[in-house]
Amino acid sequence: AQKITQTQPGMFVQEKEAVTLDCTYDTSDQSYGLFWYKQPSSGEMIFLIYQGSYDEQNATEGRYSLNFQKARKSANLVISASQLGDSAMYFCAKDAGGKLIFGQGTELSVKP
Amino acid sequence: DGGITQSPKYLFRKEGQNVTLSCEQNLNHDAMYWYRQDPGQGLRLIYYSQIVNDFQKGDIAEGYSVSREKKESFPLTVTSAQKNPTAFYLCASSMGTGTYEQYFGPGTRLTVT
Repeated sequence: AQKITQTQPGMFVQEKEAVTLDCTYDTSDQSYGLFWYKQPSSGEMIFLIYQGSYDEQNATEGRYSLNFQKARKSANLVISASQLGDSAMYFCAKDAGGKLIFGQGTELSVKP
Repeated sequence: DGGITQSPKYLFRKEGQNVTLSCEQNLNHDAMYWYRQDPGQGLRLIYYSQIVNDFQKGDIAEGYSVSREKKESFPLTVTSAQKNPTAFYLCASSMGTGTYEQYFGPGTRLTVT
């Protein structure tokens, strides 16, 4: 079975600094997509960024960027210039046969 | 405004009762999904539907049932057969299945005592 691994249960970062959240995945698929979602304490899931396995460039969306290393099967999320509002759970997900498989998540806390 | 609505936000039920969670979307999406989230955990897929009148079991379908009679609606019934139903339930939709972004509703927190 395919698996998404997020090895950092919790992370702290100082406001205005950058932080990297790790994500590795296990797959034999040739073509696939990777997603990152943010879940604030309110509970809703907010889509942040998407990376296709055949995309030649790493995805970027504002302060979010993906460090995609296909050979290593990793898709780390980089948040630049952290803000207090970035404090939340972050989930990595991969599409697998018409559905998404999610990792266990990383809880990010931004310190003022 | 386009989006996904789930109601109610909090739901309390007695053990042994079936309960139905509502999910409606006005995004004209073909695919809809139900996930369960337990404290400190990721999301696990219960059921999904790629098209009206069709749905597939996810990883933890036992004790749950769904219907997809309209494109906009995908209600989830938590039956009395579900051994541990207390959880946070999230509904999502997407244009299609595969490499499409899923949009999520605000979730329903179900407590069964």
